[in-house]
Amino acid sequence: GESVGLHLPTLSVQEGDNSIINCAYSNSASDYFIWYKQESGKGPQFIIDIRSNMDKRQGQRVTVLLNKTVKHLSLQIAATQPGDSAVYFCAEKQGGSEKLVFGKGTKLTVNP
Amino acid sequence: IAGITQAPTSQILAAGRRMTLRCTQDMRHNAMYWYRQDLGLGLRLIHYSNTAGTTGKGEVPDGYSVSRANTDDFPLTLASAVPSQTSVYFCASSVTEVTTQYFGPGTRLTVL
Repeated sequence: GESVGLHLPTLSVQEGDNSIINCAYSNSASDYFIWYKQESGKGPQFIIDIRSNMDKRQGQRVTVLLNKTVKHLSLQIAATQPGDSAVYFCAEKQGGSEKLVFGKGTKLTVNP
Repeated sequence: IAGITQAPTSQILAAGRRMTLRCTQDMRHNAMYWYRQDLGLGLRLIHYSNTAGTTGKGEVPDGYSVSRANTDDFPLTLASAVPSQTSVYFCASSVTEVTTQYFGPGTRLTVL
C-alpha cells in the first residue's frame, strides 16, 4: 500500500560530522513533504519542508533533497551538534488531501 | 505568544472513565488536529478540523470525539477510556489544511 518509510531506524554520528537521514515514499500523488524533529518528551518540531516542484531546499544547517524519480527524500544536517540528537520524522501530504502521513522515525544520536 | 498548549501534561485514568484532553492555540490557525503517538507506530491522525464548526475523522477515530466551537479550542474526548488508548496525544494546528502543522507539547495518558 501507499506509505512513508525510513531506510534506517537509528543513526549515530560524531559531533561535527554531517548527517543524512533518508525517507522513502510510494505515493506518486504526494506533493508536499515535511521534516520534523522530536526531542524526548516534547512534541514534533517543524524543521523544513519542500514541495514537489522543487528538488532541493536549504535552511540553517539543514538541506532537504527530493528525488521524485525514485520517490526518495533526505534530510542533511551539516556540522551535527549534540543538540541535534532526536528522532526525525518525514511526513507527506498527498495531493488533494489535508492529511499528513508520517513515517516511523529515525533516531539520531550525536556522539561528542 | 504561547503557540499551542495542551492540558493536562499527563493523566492516569481508570478504564471506563470519561476524559477530555484540552488543546488551545493562539495563532488564529484555521485547521487543528489530534494525533496519538505509539512506539513503533509513529503518529496517527485521530480527528481533524479544517475550520471552526467542522470536524473530520482521521486514521484512528474510534473511541474518540472532538468539537470545534471556536477557532482557538479543539478538545478531544474519550467517552469511556480503554487500556488501548494509553498513548501520548499531540494536538497540532496549521494556517490552512494544506500548510505546515505545528505541534503542542503533548499529553501522556495512561488508562488502567
